[in-house]
Amino acid sequence: SYVLTQPPSVSVAPGKTARITCGGNNIGSKSVHWYQQKPGQAPVLVIYYDSDRPSGIPERFSGSNSGNTATLTISRVEAGDEADYYCQVWDSSSDHSGVFGGGTKLTVL
Amino acid sequence: EVQLVESGGGLVQPGGSLRLSCAASGFTVSSNYMSWVRQAPGKGLEWVSVIYSGGSTYYADSVKGRFTISRDNSKNTLYLQMNSLRAEDTAVYYCARVAQGEAFDIWGQGTMVTVSS
Repeated sequence: SYVLTQPPSVSVAPGKTARITCGGNNIGSKSVHWYQQKPGQAPVLVIYYDSDRPSGIPERFSGSNSGNTATLTISRVEAGDEADYYCQVWDSSSDHSGVFGGGTKLTVL
Repeated sequence: EVQLVESGGGLVQPGGSLRLSCAASGFTVSSNYMSWVRQAPGKGLEWVSVIYSGGSTYYADSVKGRFTISRDNSKNTLYLQMNSLRAEDTAVYYCARVAQGEAFDIWGQGTMVTVSS
């Protein structure tokens, strides 16, 4: 089965840039989607198809995907960005399975 | 307003059964791919199952043979029938719309399932 690997935690000071990686075998050939989840809340889609933003998501959120790594970048980080972030793909080679990364806790210092 | 509302969670004994419901408003369940995703306490997200607009269904290995995803078009509602429940099935269960067959763009608020004696 396909595996997505994320760092457990990332810390960043307010106003700086946070980068959260998602590693997978030839992930650049897949479409990657990113979700933000705050405590006690349902996840929210923040990036889809590698780099597109849903309406209502600030331009500070961006994404890229190439080779074996996809990256979620959050510019000018704010305290309200502190949350868990998950990457997700579909593994069509494994019976159409959805796959999530293990999640990254973003801490705003 | 586009919305998903889950119900049906609760406490059940190991080996028992439970059926979760997910009522949709603002869009048509049968015209979309719909999925269930769960999250064990303090853990990450785990994909559980998907039903395609054409009716095909797929499951995570961890629930295959025990869980069944279905929908009622007349009620615009998605279901998850869970049988032979185990302690490791304890989680918050979310239903979600799969936009363009790819990203989970609409999520319900979640319903808690606890499997314990």
